[in-house]
Amino acid sequence: AQRVTQPEKLLSVFKGAPVELKCNYSYSGSPELFWYVQYSRQRLQLLLRHISRESIKGFTADLNKGETSFHLKKPFAQEEDSAMYYCALVEYGNKLVFGAGTILRVKS
Amino acid sequence: GAGVSQSPRYKVAKRGQDVALRCDPISGHVSLFWYQQALGQGPEFLTYFQNEAQLDKSGLPSDRFFAERPEGSVSTLKIQRTQQEDSAVYLCASSEDRNTEAFFGQGTRLTVV
Repeated sequence: AQRVTQPEKLLSVFKGAPVELKCNYSYSGSPELFWYVQYSRQRLQLLLRHISRESIKGFTADLNKGETSFHLKKPFAQEEDSAMYYCALVEYGNKLVFGAGTILRVKS
Repeated sequence: GAGVSQSPRYKVAKRGQDVALRCDPISGHVSLFWYQQALGQGPEFLTYFQNEAQLDKSGLPSDRFFAERPEGSVSTLKIQRTQQEDSAVYLCASSEDRNTEAFFGQGTRLTVV
């Protein structure tokens, strides 16, 4: 079965510090991967998808097939980045398989 | 326009009671998904509709769970004879078609007591 693993439940950094949220996956084919974010009291929303290779709100993520990873990175964390982050992959039929999520806390 | 709307936002049910959770997708969205999110976990897939056709119900945990989308728009997730392990947030998502971004609703938090 396809799996997405986010090893950290909580990541706490100071404002201005670099951020890396880890995501590893297991998938038998060619995966399509995403990062979703949920800010406090808001709905789950798409942050970025690997096929678009965009930088959204300063975040980037590179698919590393050798290491089966899709870590989310930002060079300088901001307080408004505090949220729950979910890594996900698309399985057949367009259904999403999510990791357990990582809470990012950016301290001032 | 409005995003995906779910109602009720919160539901408390006594064990054994039946519940119905409603999802209003974004107008014109063909694809609709239901996910279940237990406390401290990521969302887990329950079922998928394309218009009114339920194409995948492999994630429904038991035959107590039933979903429908009779006119290809509003969808209802019904849980019969609720049990404590059904307590979770139920998320609905819709997308224009199967390969485009899915937009999520706020979810319904179900607590079975």
